[in-house]
Amino acid sequence: GQQLNQSPQSMFIQEGEDVSMNCTSSSIFNTWLWYKQDPGEGPVLLIALYKAGELTSNGRLTAQFGITRKDSFLNISASIPSDVGIYFCAGGATNKLIFGTGTLLAVQP
Amino acid sequence: NAGVTQTPKFQVLKTGQSMTLQCAQDMNHNSMYWYRQDPGMGLRLIYYSASEGTTDKGEVPNGYNVSRLNKREFSLRLESAAPSQTSVYFCATRAGTEMKKLFFGSGTQLSVL
Repeated sequence: GQQLNQSPQSMFIQEGEDVSMNCTSSSIFNTWLWYKQDPGEGPVLLIALYKAGELTSNGRLTAQFGITRKDSFLNISASIPSDVGIYFCAGGATNKLIFGTGTLLAVQP
Repeated sequence: NAGVTQTPKFQVLKTGQSMTLQCAQDMNHNSMYWYRQDPGMGLRLIYYSASEGTTDKGEVPNGYNVSRLNKREFSLRLESAAPSQTSVYFCATRAGTEMKKLFFGSGTQLSVL
């Protein structure tokens, strides 16, 4: 089945550092979504993007919808310990949502 | 305000056993979904139900059946569990047609020995 390439697979950083992760696809999407999953919980939506080139922020998080509509990135600034978790991208086309493979983020205080 | 409730949270089965994973929502959403999550892979859609009384196959439906019992409940059944079905299963619901309005339960961790 179709999957999105998400990188990096994992990141181990110090508190206060900035983080960047991205998703790429061979297919064009109309929507890009970014989710965070805490241990033992389901994914929770962080940011939704609907237009090519769109840049959207949610607190310390910023995400962009790539111009080609085949990629998206998520930045986290000044990371804190509660940022720990798995971050997933998801690309949407018509009524279908395809999820990325996830980026595991560990933040050391 | 529970949102999306999944039961059980953990389950261990022997190969060949059957079981039903339950999902209930109190958000009055029409659409409900079952996904599985495996290490190194994104969430993959097993089955979905666009509205009460309808169900459709997703990307990986083999080995599963579903029932949309009413608007609130959407169950996933494994008739004869296999080790390849060891996974974390998530139920999700969606409000309207906007993709961003997808809400997930907290998951069921299933091990098939």
